[in-house]
Amino acid sequence: AQSVTQLDSHVSVSEGTPVLLRCNYSSSYSPSLFWYVQHPNKGLQLLLKYTSAATLVKGINGFEAEFKKSETSFHLTKPSAHMSDAAEYFCVVSDGGTGGFKTIFGAGTRLFVKA
Amino acid sequence: DAGVIQSPRHEVTEMGQEVTLRCKPISGHNSLFWYRQTMMRGLELLIYFNNNVPIDDSGMPEDRFSAKMPNASFSTLKIQPSEPRDSAVYFCASSTLQGAVTGANVLTFGAGSRLTVL
Repeated sequence: AQSVTQLDSHVSVSEGTPVLLRCNYSSSYSPSLFWYVQHPNKGLQLLLKYTSAATLVKGINGFEAEFKKSETSFHLTKPSAHMSDAAEYFCVVSDGGTGGFKTIFGAGTRLFVKA
Repeated sequence: DAGVIQSPRHEVTEMGQEVTLRCKPISGHNSLFWYRQTMMRGLELLIYFNNNVPIDDSGMPEDRFSAKMPNASFSTLKIQPSEPRDSAVYFCASSTLQGAVTGANVLTFGAGSRLTVL
């Protein structure tokens, strides 16, 4: 069985400062890991994905995440926050079991960006 | 491609009524997922299908919930009878699975169906 834990329900940063959203996972198989973003009253958009290639993954809008197997972590970072980054971010784990890939979302981290 | 299409976008109904939510996945995608999103519980996986076959329905909350995928281009999520606590946004997502290749399972989400049960 797989699970995903987002360690912070809310993160608040000032515009121009770094962003760190933390995620830990567990999986019985070699997982794929993703970050999705949801802006208010909008659908879910893929930010980036890890698929057992490079451990440092670059996504859209300057976000990146590093897969650390020893720590079972997949934290999302961005060097400099922008007001438009304010949204909810979901860490997602997907692994193959018997037939298909069960895809589980974390509880989400709401990012606030102060001017 | 028009993306994942869900209908209705909004539904308001009274307790006890039957609700049917519909989803048309992206053509060529062979997996389909139903999620429910609420403030209290976040995004919960209800059920997912692979090649039209239900693989895991352990997230379906009660027998009042049922889902079908009669063909590769259509799925329904039905609630009968509906209750106020079923009020939520229901998302459908589809993806391609290429055998055992990980990383192919990137979900594309529909816009969601917002259900309000009075």
